[in-house]
Amino acid sequence: SAVISQKPSRDICQRGTSLTIQCQVDSQVTMMFWYRQQPGQSLTLIATANQGSEATYESGFVIDKFPISRPNLTFSTLTVSNMSPEDSSIYLCSVRDLQGVGYTFGSGTRLTVV
Amino acid sequence: EDQVTQSPEALRLQEGESSSLNCSYTVSGLRGLFWYRQDPGKGPEFLFTLYSAGEEKEKERLKATLTKKESFLHITAPKPEDSATYLCAVQAGDYKLSFGAGTTVTVRA
Repeated sequence: SAVISQKPSRDICQRGTSLTIQCQVDSQVTMMFWYRQQPGQSLTLIATANQGSEATYESGFVIDKFPISRPNLTFSTLTVSNMSPEDSSIYLCSVRDLQGVGYTFGSGTRLTVV
Repeated sequence: EDQVTQSPEALRLQEGESSSLNCSYTVSGLRGLFWYRQDPGKGPEFLFTLYSAGEEKEKERLKATLTKKESFLHITAPKPEDSATYLCAVQAGDYKLSFGAGTTVTVRA
């Protein structure tokens, strides 16, 4: 299965600033996803990162707040913009494993906004 | 809208005490049901994918089963290292996964 490297693993940020999270995959994948996991809760899909076109956002998530880039088939970034304490969460990158039968997740970025 | 409900929320077991976790779902057109294990501070680790009712998969002390309305994750003779949060997710239609809230399992030695 694919191996995902996600950076940073954690960060503490001031409100009003932005943070960019990187997701690097060790093989080419067609589909990459970004999830949010708020404290004590399960995973919620933010968007699907599409190579060569705009990301597809889920209800409740907008591009101005969570801009996503997908310059090639192995890399994507998620930016959390104009952060507030409510953005404190774990953000996870995921890819669909074409060789296996599941979806692989990165180790996550634990974001705390103060 | 797809719905995934996991029960119980938390499960405390003695080492060797077998038990089951439940995942009930409501989807139109199930493409797959996934089980993941998540340790604190880490991303979910893939365990199983089930596609159709009657299917079963096993890995070490874990066995996953699927019916038309729910899935069970059986933990046989658990060890302390089986302590984790177990997540269930369904895929219907496109490639999006809908997750349940998870069951946190604690196994005491």
